[in-house]
Amino acid sequence: GEDVEQSLFLSVREGDSSVINCTYTDSSSTYLYWYKQEPGAGLQLLTYIFSNMDMKQDQRLTVLLNKKDKHLSLRIADTQTGDSAIYFCAERGLRGGGGADGLTFGKGTHLIIQP
Amino acid sequence: GAVVSQHPSWVICKSGTSVKIECRSLDFQATTMFWYRQFPKQSLMLMATSNEGSKATYEQGVEKDKFLINHASLTLSTLTVTSAHPEDSSFYICSAAQDGYTFGSGTRLTVV
Repeated sequence: GEDVEQSLFLSVREGDSSVINCTYTDSSSTYLYWYKQEPGAGLQLLTYIFSNMDMKQDQRLTVLLNKKDKHLSLRIADTQTGDSAIYFCAERGLRGGGGADGLTFGKGTHLIIQP
Repeated sequence: GAVVSQHPSWVICKSGTSVKIECRSLDFQATTMFWYRQFPKQSLMLMATSNEGSKATYEQGVEKDKFLINHASLTLSTLTVTSAHPEDSSFYICSAAQDGYTFGSGTRLTVV
């Protein structure tokens, strides 16, 4: 089946930029997503990018997509303690049959903020 | 923005009993909802796709008789874990395809 890979941990100093990387295998991916999960909570959509885009910026968040290498990254500028969470990369592929498709998630990257 | 409400947020049940989890879209209609399962420190795994007015589509390896899904209206999907066992203990999350897939807050199921 399709696969999404992420590093399990990333540690950064408060105020620095965080870059979380993700690779995927599904060449039919149409949308790629970044979600944030705080302990014991559900998933919060941070941003998403359509597969024909290279970059998307939204305030402190910048998403870069290299479709050729199937590589996605999320950059968080000026990382704060409130950014501490698990960040999931997810992709939506083409399954056919019409209708909406479920997402394939990576295992999540735990972002640790050092004071 | 779109809001998905999931209840209960946590439940403890005895082995052999059944548990129902509800997922509601509060301000939009969702013809399709998704149910995921998340083990501790693991990713979310898609269990099934719930379609309003028709049978759910289950992912490979998910027992449809154990995880009953009902999507009787455009705003409500339910997941019933039947004859629950300790290995069913997990975090279950629903999602609706709206504004980039909105997720519920999840249900922590503990079977004792």
